Amino acid sequence: EVQLVESGGGLVKPGGSLRLSCAASGFSFRSYGMNWVRQAPGKGLEWVSSISTSSSHIYYADSVQGRFTIFKDNAQNSLYLQMNSLRAEDTAVYYCARLEEGAIAYGSFDYWGQGTLVTVSS
Amino acid sequence: QLVLTQSPSASASLGASVKLTCTLSSGHSSYAIAWHQQQPDKGPRYLMKLNSDGSHTKGDGIPDRFSGSTSGAERYLTISSLQSEDEADYYCQTWGTDIRVFGGGTKLTVL
Repeated sequence: EVQLVESGGGLVKPGGSLRLSCAASGFSFRSYGMNWVRQAPGKGLEWVSSISTSSSHIYYADSVQGRFTIFKDNAQNSLYLQMNSLRAEDTAVYYCARLEEGAIAYGSFDYWGQGTLVTVSS
Repeated sequence: QLVLTQSPSASASLGASVKLTCTLSSGHSSYAIAWHQQQPDKGPRYLMKLNSDGSHTKGDGIPDRFSGSTSGAERYLTISSLQSEDEADYYCQTWGTDIRVFGGGTKLTVL
């Protein structure tokens, strides 16, 4: 059974940093691209970042470019999102999502985690 | 610019059918999309990938009541025999080389 479990969310002050983790199981993690998607309270889904199977292709939404870093540890079956210079508008539930089978860097997201809440507030 | 447009809300009666629409922006009518369901206070769930020719691939365990179709730049999700648990937000998603896009979502109410 495919499972994605996010962790690392919490309350952080504006300008602070946080690292999110996504533990993957039930599939060959190294063979899949991965993604982060967020959802602000009461709002829709917003794509944040994507990483290809071997980490050779990485993409960011304009809203987080230069502040967030996505990385993938295939040995640990884990995906990470390092978030720096956090702003109030980064407050959201952050989900990790798997890229569809066979896609290297882009495609549909075929499995999702349950999310972890990040709150940026003084 | 790659944009997906969805109606904010839809409603249908228990046991009836409903057809949700996702419209691709001009110049992008050949793009595939995916449909996702988000029930209240839960994470999203992948429903299907829908290609421009109308062919679709459903996610694991998705009932036959859910189907997809295409007409030009429009992508549809049809849910038949509506059940109370179908009351949820439905998002379409598409992608380009360096961008991934979600529609604004449609809130489906089952009457």
